[in-house]
Amino acid sequence: GENVEQHPSTLSVQEGDSAVIKCTYSDSASNYFPWYKQELGKGPQLIIDIRSNVGEKKDQRIAVTLNKTAKHFSLHITETQPEDSAVYFCAAGSNFGNEKLTFGTGTRLTIIP
Amino acid sequence: DTAVSQTPKYLVTQMGNDKSIKCEQNLGHDTMYWYKQDSKKFLKIMFSYNNKELIINETVPNRFSPKSPDKAHLNLHINSLELGDSAVYFCASSTRTGGVGNTEAFFGQGTRLTVV
Repeated sequence: GENVEQHPSTLSVQEGDSAVIKCTYSDSASNYFPWYKQELGKGPQLIIDIRSNVGEKKDQRIAVTLNKTAKHFSLHITETQPEDSAVYFCAAGSNFGNEKLTFGTGTRLTIIP
Repeated sequence: DTAVSQTPKYLVTQMGNDKSIKCEQNLGHDTMYWYKQDSKKFLKIMFSYNNKELIINETVPNRFSPKSPDKAHLNLHINSLELGDSAVYFCASSTRTGGVGNTEAFFGQGTRLTVV
């Protein structure tokens, strides 16, 4: 089955600086890679996703890159703000088989004012 | 206008009891899920239903039994609760777009289950 590894597990960044979170996956059949943000006491919420036919996607201060050959993808947050503090999860999924999402282990991002 | 709602939000119960968590989505999605998040924040899928049919069962003990009366509801019943069942349980839903699987999953706010 799919295995998703995520690093780092914790990340502290000065407000205004950039944050990068990296994930690797094992199943070459995976072709859908979402990123979720989980705030305290809430459920995960999608912030950006990318499919395997695209190498990079950007939405304002958030960008995701995908390297299918190396089987890794990354989340980039620029000009970080205190409200970016949360736990971030990457995930990998496929259109084939049972189409489930396998999540990474999460990164606790803290933005220091 | 909550998209995915689950009840209760908190559940404290004794070992050996049977309890249920309810989930409803008003997004018109055809697929619903139960995820378990442990104390280390690991998110692991338990079950997935598509149009009321079970499509994923991730080696969850048979003390856990999902029930989908219609495609807008997916309830989780747990028999003979154990200490290790303590976790946050999330319900989620999604839909297929143009026959392509894996679109955005919308999560409920979670149910924190504590077994004492």
